[in-house]
Amino acid sequence: GAVVSQHPSWVICKSGTSVKIECRSLDFQATTMFWYRQFPKQSLMLMATSNEGSKATYEQGVEKDKFLINHASLTLSTLTVTSAHPEDSSFYICSAPTLSGNTIYFGEGSWLTVV
Amino acid sequence: GESVGLHLPTLSVQEGDNSIINCAYSNSASDYFIWYKQESGKGPQFIIDIRSNMDKRQGQRVTVLLNKTVKHLSLQIAATQPGDSAVYFCAETGQNFVFGPGTRLSVLP
Repeated sequence: GAVVSQHPSWVICKSGTSVKIECRSLDFQATTMFWYRQFPKQSLMLMATSNEGSKATYEQGVEKDKFLINHASLTLSTLTVTSAHPEDSSFYICSAPTLSGNTIYFGEGSWLTVV
Repeated sequence: GESVGLHLPTLSVQEGDNSIINCAYSNSASDYFIWYKQESGKGPQFIIDIRSNMDKRQGQRVTVLLNKTVKHLSLQIAATQPGDSAVYFCAETGQNFVFGPGTRLSVLP
């Protein structure tokens, strides 16, 4: 079964609205979670590192105010795409390493379509 | 604006043949390696792992080989099936997780 769960799996939203994607670690705690974006036929692109209890660390070129990340608990991180535009349409994936750091588990991914 | 990403190399294999997917890693201090499989529209899934004190590890139809001398990792899939079509990428871990760009495996009928 999945050890990292994402919700929603698929979301369609109107331009200008905000969408929240949740990433939950099941049966283990994650002080760190990673958020990725993936375009068709391309590799994962790390967007940001979510840190429980502190601010997220964003990769160069990723707008902090557009992609709001909150890591409120040891099992939940959220990514909010604010004022979404069609170019934000993509596949968003989160991952979480175990506390031992030995293994990283991925969520099932969330498809975002902005119309 | 348009984002820049890495376009994936593709490996095409005839159904029933063996597949070999390669990965070069960069950090000689990495001590744990993982292969992931990502099917279209889904998140990556763990396939097999290997620690740096091993050269080879076998799973069901998959084998991972580690050559620390040249910092090379490979994934071998025996008797490749249509369901194996996916993107495969490796990850090296030490202090950080570093992912390879991935290889798209296409299985031809």
